[in-house]
Amino acid sequence: NAGVTQTPKFQVLKTGQSMTLQCAQDMNHEYMSWYRQDPGMGLRLIHYSVGAGITDQGEVPNGYNVSRSTTEDFPLRLLSAAPSQTSVYFCASSPPPGPNEQFFGPGTRLTVL
Amino acid sequence: AQTVTQSQPEMSVQEAETVTLSCTYDTSESDYYLFWYKQPPSRQMILVIRQEAYKQQNATENRFSVNFQKAAKSFSLKISDSQLGDAAMYFCAYRSGGGADGLTFGKGTHLIIQP
Repeated sequence: NAGVTQTPKFQVLKTGQSMTLQCAQDMNHEYMSWYRQDPGMGLRLIHYSVGAGITDQGEVPNGYNVSRSTTEDFPLRLLSAAPSQTSVYFCASSPPPGPNEQFFGPGTRLTVL
Repeated sequence: AQTVTQSQPEMSVQEAETVTLSCTYDTSESDYYLFWYKQPPSRQMILVIRQEAYKQQNATENRFSVNFQKAAKSFSLKISDSQLGDAAMYFCAYRSGGGADGLTFGKGTHLIIQP
């Protein structure tokens, strides 16, 4: 049971480049989400999904796209990277809402030059 | 929208002592859940303890306990017998009871353990 996996662990992009951060979970969780963590800001919700084919915006969605074609995978796309998107990105999954623990991946450190 | 405030950017405690980390939140909802997460230098997010708002009894997990004051919208974390491995960032987080979205986090408290 690998839990939540994220690739890559580190990435450097130039302004304007595109890329996809991968996230996968093997716990059959319906709920998945993406957060970004900036220094002194805590974690902020970017997008979330309540099941395959269903996604919605979180607190800071601008500049990011998501899709959820399977229960296991929830990729995050940056279409045209900007320096303001330099951050650490976390993917998380959980059973349906409530007191259930959100399980976090190890994070991806992204630098946009 | 809900907000979570952690007013202590950094706290320091002697090994084996007790420390309390503060958290307040603002919400108009009556059904919600509160969490404390630990983030060591490895940056992995680890759940420490959780509290259901409808439960009056404070949650306890070994050396970790909370003081949940619903009327005051306060949710502090007490760490007893502090250990060097407790050194980390600690985040307080809120989740709506009926909502399908994610967690709202505070900005975190950096806990230093002095040997």
